[in-house]
Amino acid sequence: SQQGEEDPQALSIQEGENATMNCSYKTSINNLQWYRQNSGRGLVHLILIRSNEREKHSGRLRVTLDTSKKSSSLLITASRAADTASYFCATDFGNEKLTFGTGTRLTIIP
Amino acid sequence: DVKVTQSSRYLVKRTGEKVFLECVQDMDHENMFWYRQDPGLGLRLIYFSYDVKMKEKGDIPEGYSVSREKKERFSLILESASTNQTSMYLCASSFYRDNIQYFGAGTRLSVL
Repeated sequence: SQQGEEDPQALSIQEGENATMNCSYKTSINNLQWYRQNSGRGLVHLILIRSNEREKHSGRLRVTLDTSKKSSSLLITASRAADTASYFCATDFGNEKLTFGTGTRLTIIP
Repeated sequence: DVKVTQSSRYLVKRTGEKVFLECVQDMDHENMFWYRQDPGLGLRLIYFSYDVKMKEKGDIPEGYSVSREKKERFSLILESASTNQTSMYLCASSFYRDNIQYFGAGTRLSVL
């Protein structure tokens, strides 16, 4: 399977702390995307990083991509209770489909 | 804002019934997708459509079929529902050029 794998599977932190989750994949990609899913709902796109980019920011989100290690990380700074959700990486291999990982469940403790 | 609407949030069906899950998007996206989501397995692609009347099998198409008669609508059909098709079903759409997917709220299907 080409499915990406997130690490850790679950993460609990105190409100205000930073949260880091990682994604590894197996083959070359066009881009990598991160999505958030609130409990029982659909996924929402957060950020896209292309294969020729190393780092990207969006608000409190910072994404890095290391194509030599076939890995990406998502950093959420100054976490809030509303950040409690599952986070998925999705890899685009250039075939108009995405392959999603199994997700990291993030819990922010107030 | 892009809107992807799934016809039902919750659905309960009996084994052997024919089940239709409907998805409509309002952004003129070329691509539409059906996924199922199960605990520990993430999202798995069932079928994908890149144009009207065009479809492509995903990773787990067995037991499912799809229909795309109009660009905005993509239907998932369970010909004869089975208990192992109890799951959360997610529809998504995207433009071909950037492949950012927009998801519906999901349909939680229980087959008894």
